[in-house]
Formats: sequence, structure tokens, C-alpha cells
Amino acid sequence: GAVVSQHPSWVICKSGTSVKIECRSLDFQATTMFWYRQFPKQSLMLMATSNEGSKATYEQGVEKDKFLINHASLTLSTLTVTSAHPEDSSFYICSAPDGGGSSYEQYFGPGTRLTVT
Amino acid sequence: KQEVTQIPAALSVPEGENLVLNCSFTDSAIYNLQWFRQDPGKGLTSLLLIQSSQREQTSGRLNASLDKSSGRSTLYIAASQPGDSATYLCAVRTGRRALTFGSGTRLQVQP
Repeated sequence: GAVVSQHPSWVICKSGTSVKIECRSLDFQATTMFWYRQFPKQSLMLMATSNEGSKATYEQGVEKDKFLINHASLTLSTLTVTSAHPEDSSFYICSAPDGGGSSYEQYFGPGTRLTVT
Repeated sequence: KQEVTQIPAALSVPEGENLVLNCSFTDSAIYNLQWFRQDPGKGLTSLLLIQSSQREQTSGRLNASLDKSSGRSTLYIAASQPGDSATYLCAVRTGRRALTFGSGTRLQVQP
């Protein structure tokens, strides 16, 4: 199956700093990638849809100026958490669909655990 | 807006038991449904993908069924093992390409 990688796998940062998380599709091209967030003991919630060569689409309640998304190539999307605060501490997971039409399967990265102190 | 519900929220069974995890969704106009496994602190492992035109999918000891009209799916795990202990997530894809996830079932299989 297709492989999606994320880097870093975990990061600890101080409040007020910015953190960049990378999501890569290793053996396929992805014009669209998705960023999810998962709080402890909760399910995954979609944050935004990353579109190659155009602006990301954010879900209601997600601040686009705080969570900057860049999808500069067909294999790489980045999520930058700006001016991070402790409440941004969470597990961030990206995914990318492989295949076309309505039958494609989504492949998920291993996730990045962000802790803001 | 699509909503996905999973029952039970947690389940503890002795090793060897067969078990069923339930997933329901409010909008039956789905393209597909995926079952995932998530170990503590880890990412997602895709278990089974069922297209909207399919009724079930099988992989080893796992069998997933889909009744799109009633908005339900079940994941059947045969002869459960301690290594099956994890959180199982159900997710559906509707009009947009992202997935909507249920809150998961935390499974503990006792040796």
C-alpha cells in the first residue's frame, strides 16, 4: 500500500514559538492532503484540506492564521503551528488519498505529537 | 452534517472470544467506509475498506459488513487475541474527500 510519512514524530516547544510539521507521500503523488487533530481519548477531527498549488480549506473553528498550511509540491504538505500555546498540544495526523474517483483509499501518516510547555 | 457513532465505547473480553464492534452514521450517501486500528500514542492502521457498493470485506480474522441504507457497519473479530487490544475507529467518506471519524471503541483482550 501507499506510504505517508510525517516529521517530526514528536516535538516539544515553548509557548509562543512556531512549529512546522511535514507530511510526505512517499510513493505516490497527492494533489490533496488532509490534516487532522486528535486530543487525548478523543477521535480525529479534520482541521483543513491542503491543496497543491492553491490555498488550503479550513474547517469551521480552525484559525487559518494560526495553522498555516503549505502544499508546495505533489508529495509534500506542511502544517505550521504559529505562536503555539499549551492548548495546541495534541496529536496531529495527515492523510493523503491514493487513487481516483470515489473509490480511493486514504493513507495516514504516523502522526506528530506536539507538546507546548 | 455527517455524524459517526461507535458502540460500545470500551470493551473488555477474555482471549478467544468472538466480538462485534458497531458503527452507525447519519448520512447514508457515503462513498466508502474504513475501519482503522490505533495503538496508544500511535498513528492509524487501515484494516478494511468497504466501498458503498459492497456488503462486506474480510481480512484474516476480521470481517466488516456495511448496510448503507440503514447507516450501519459492524466489525467482527474472530478468536480475539491480546494483540488485538487497541482502539478501533470507523470512518466514512461522504461528499468531500476527507473522512469523518467515530469516537472509537477501546478494546482490551485479557490473556
